[in-house]
Amino acid sequence: DGGITQSPKYLFRKEGQNVTLSCEQNLNHDAMYWYRQDPGQGLRLIYYSQIVNDFQKGDIAEGYSVSREKKESFPLTVTSAQKNPTAFYLCASSIVGRQSNQPQHFGDGTRLSIL
Amino acid sequence: KQEVTQIPAALSVPEGENLVLNCSFTDSAIYNLQWFRQDPGKGLTSLLLIQSSQREQTSGRLNASLDKSSGRSTLYIAASQPGDSATYLCAASRGSTLGRLYFGRGTQLTVWP
Repeated sequence: DGGITQSPKYLFRKEGQNVTLSCEQNLNHDAMYWYRQDPGQGLRLIYYSQIVNDFQKGDIAEGYSVSREKKESFPLTVTSAQKNPTAFYLCASSIVGRQSNQPQHFGDGTRLSIL
Repeated sequence: KQEVTQIPAALSVPEGENLVLNCSFTDSAIYNLQWFRQDPGKGLTSLLLIQSSQREQTSGRLNASLDKSSGRSTLYIAASQPGDSATYLCAASRGSTLGRLYFGRGTQLTVWP
C-alpha cells in the first residue's frame, strides 16, 4: 500500500541537541511538506519542497532545517536554535500542478518532547 | 496571507443529529478547499476536496460546500454517529502558492450514544 511513513513516533530532545525526524513516501508525489501542530492549534507550515534539491521556508522555519536529496524522502532537523520544539510534527505529500485535484496525504506524525 | 477560521471550536451532540461545521477564509483567490479529519494522536485523513470552480462535493453522509464570494465553506454531516467523533480541519490552498495549505484550528466533535 502506498503512503507516508514518519519515524520515530515519539522523540525526546536534550538541551543543545539537534534531532532529525524522518519522512518517507512511496506515492510518487513531487511535493512534500512539514507542519507543526500545537495543542488546540491548526497546522503551521515549517518547510515545503516541490522538487528534488529545492525547498522553501514556510511560516515558522526558524530553528529548523530540511533536505530533499531524493524524491521519496524529506527529513526535518530540529536544531538547538529552536527553543520551544515540543509539538506534534506532521509530514505530508501531494501531486503538484494546477490541474491537480488530489488532496495532501499525511503521515501519522512524530511527537517531540524536551527532556 | 490566508487566514482560516473555524466555528465552533467544539461541538457535542447526541447520535443521529445532522451537523454543520463552518469554515471561513480571507483570500478568495483559493485553488481548492480541503476538509480533513484527525483522530487523537494521529495524522490527517482527507475527507473532501472542493476545487475553486466547484460549489460542493459529497461523500456518503458528508457534504461540503464552497462559496468563494463570501469566503465560506461548510461541512454537513448527516445522521451523526459516535464514530464521527474527531477533530475536523479545513484548509485553503491559495492559487499563488501551488499546493501550500492554510489551516484553521479545527472543530472538535463529540457524538455521544
